[in-house]
Parts: sequence; C-alpha cells; structure tokens
Amino acid sequence: DIVMTQTPLSSPVTLGQPASISCRSSQSLVNSDGNTYLSWLQQRPGQPPRLLIYKISNRFSGVPDRFSGSGAGTDFTLTISRVEAEDVGVYYCTQASQFPYTFGQGTRLEIK
Amino acid sequence: QLHLQESDPGLVKPSETLSLTCTVSGGSISSPNYYWVWIRQSPGMRLEWIGSIHYTGNAYYNPSLNSRAAMSVDMSNNLFSLRLYSVTAADTAVYFCARVEVGVSVDYWGQGALVTVSS
Repeated sequence: DIVMTQTPLSSPVTLGQPASISCRSSQSLVNSDGNTYLSWLQQRPGQPPRLLIYKISNRFSGVPDRFSGSGAGTDFTLTISRVEAEDVGVYYCTQASQFPYTFGQGTRLEIK
Repeated sequence: QLHLQESDPGLVKPSETLSLTCTVSGGSISSPNYYWVWIRQSPGMRLEWIGSIHYTGNAYYNPSLNSRAAMSVDMSNNLFSLRLYSVTAADTAVYFCARVEVGVSVDYWGQGALVTVSS
C-alpha cells in the first residue's frame, strides 16, 4: 500500500496569516494514465470530510480561492493564503492513483 | 444536489455481520462516470478505504479486510450496500458512504453512521 505522511500533525495559525500542510507519499503518485490523483480533504468538527482540491491543484466547486495545492511525484502541499475562523478542522491528503486508496493521518489546524 | 444517507445499524455483536445501506438522492446511481464507495473513520480519526463499486457490479475491496467485505448495488432503489463479515471491536468506526467521480476524486459524502462492535 502507498503510505501517505503529513506534516505537521498540528498547526496553530493566526487569523489572516498563511498556513501550509505537506504530504509525502511512499511512492510516485503518477498514474499509468499520466494523471496524479492526489486530493485534499477538509473535515470540520462533527462533519464528514469535504473535497477541497483534486489532481494536485484543481479546486473543487465552491472552494474559496484562498485554498491552493501544488507538488508533483511524491511531495505535495496544501496552502491557505489567509486563514479564516471557518478553516478550523482536520485536513487529509489522499491518493487514488493505486488501489487500495489511502489517506494521510490528518493535520489539525487551529487558531492561536 | 446529490445527497447520500447511510442506514444506522448501531450496535453489532462480535463475530456477526455488519450491514449498511446508502440511499442516493438527487442523482442516479447507474451513471457510468461514478464509483460508489465506503470509507470508515476510526475513533483515532484515521480514514480507511473499504471498497468501491460501479453500477455494473465491478467492485474493489481493500485487502486489509481479508475478504470480509462485500458490496452491492440496487439500481431500482438507487442505493448501494456494504456487508462486513465476522466483525471485531477493531471494526468500530464511523462508516461513510461517498461518491467518486472518475478522473476527479471523492466528491460527495454521507453524514456517516457510527457502528459499535460490542457484546
């Protein structure tokens, strides 16, 4: 299985400041079709996960443009340009390039 | 707007079978562009992919479940199901049903159903 490792596990951030979360995969996520199926999910307290970013850098419908994704191969980053109070929650990276699909352990974003 | 709703089995005894259904509304389960999936979240918040099924019946399961999982699709009722056999306390989790759009990702989730395995 592909292991997804996120850093940091916890990120205290000041409102209005940027935040970034890293995700590293144990092997390349480039699929045989040439795409890289790396996504980012947000889970607010008491809610199911919500898709933010797919295929490294594509924002899903309705996701604010302060969220962006980057990376390639085995190293990926989610960046929030200016953190707002509603961004509090746990963020997960997930890969769908190889079955079984796997998830990172989650990064808890909290406000200082 | 697509809506997915899990059934609520609640408490399941060890060694018995966990059965869940996911009712889909606002969209057809028999679209070729989607897979329907089950994902669970342990009390420690780790997410685990259980399996995926297409309306044609093609299904893929996580090998970590040691062949204990079985999924099915009911097109007439627009729902899909999960059966997990021989459960233990380690299967206690919140079970989510979700949709995967081919070439995109898991784009819609149900609210989740807490399943507790205990005698």
